[in-house]
Amino acid sequence: AQTVTQSQPEMSVQEAETVTLSCTYDTSENNYYLFWYKQPPSRQMILVIRQEAYKQQNATENRFSVNFQKAAKSFSLKISDSQLGDTAMYFCAFMSLNNNDMRFGAGTRLTVKP
Amino acid sequence: EPEVTQTPSHQVTQMGQEVILRCVPISNHLYFYWYRQILGQKVEFLVSFYNNEISEKSEIFDDQFSVERPDGSNFTLKIRSTKLEDSAMYFCASSKTGQGTPSTDEQFFGPGTRLTVL
Repeated sequence: AQTVTQSQPEMSVQEAETVTLSCTYDTSENNYYLFWYKQPPSRQMILVIRQEAYKQQNATENRFSVNFQKAAKSFSLKISDSQLGDTAMYFCAFMSLNNNDMRFGAGTRLTVKP
Repeated sequence: EPEVTQTPSHQVTQMGQEVILRCVPISNHLYFYWYRQILGQKVEFLVSFYNNEISEKSEIFDDQFSVERPDGSNFTLKIRSTKLEDSAMYFCASSKTGQGTPSTDEQFFGPGTRLTVL
């Protein structure tokens, strides 16, 4: 079974600085997607970024980018120019393309300090 | 390592029928959640539950939904009269504390129940 591990329960960063959130996963599959979701206090899960495992190029979405290391099964999220609105819980997730099963990490609480 | 479990892994039901999705949270956790994932990647928060009552719910969580902790271990989501659009993956999660308490508000997710409404 797939597992997703976020080893940092909480992190903080100064406004305008860069922060990297870690995520590792374990799978024997070759075809999958990886995601980062942001969960603000509203509880809604907002998709931040998605990476297809077959793509070697790291996904980027404005200030958000990932470092996808398939061999190491690592999928970290980098937030550049952190903003106060980035304060939230961030979940890393894995989805198998074989059966659409999804697995979530336990989350990293990010606080952006003014 | 303790984990959240969910049963069944796959539930198929007819439109209009009632379904109960079951979750067993991690034993020392006090906060419980349901999310659903419609086909694709959109994950939606449904409800959070603490101290035997709903603490937060989304607009999706209307009168057809209810949650219950019938005993000391199970946490259930009931959908009274299922609709086709209820077909989704339903995830249960639990956390030791509520939101905003560093290091203990991590939410541990179960593997999900795939609900198919025909």
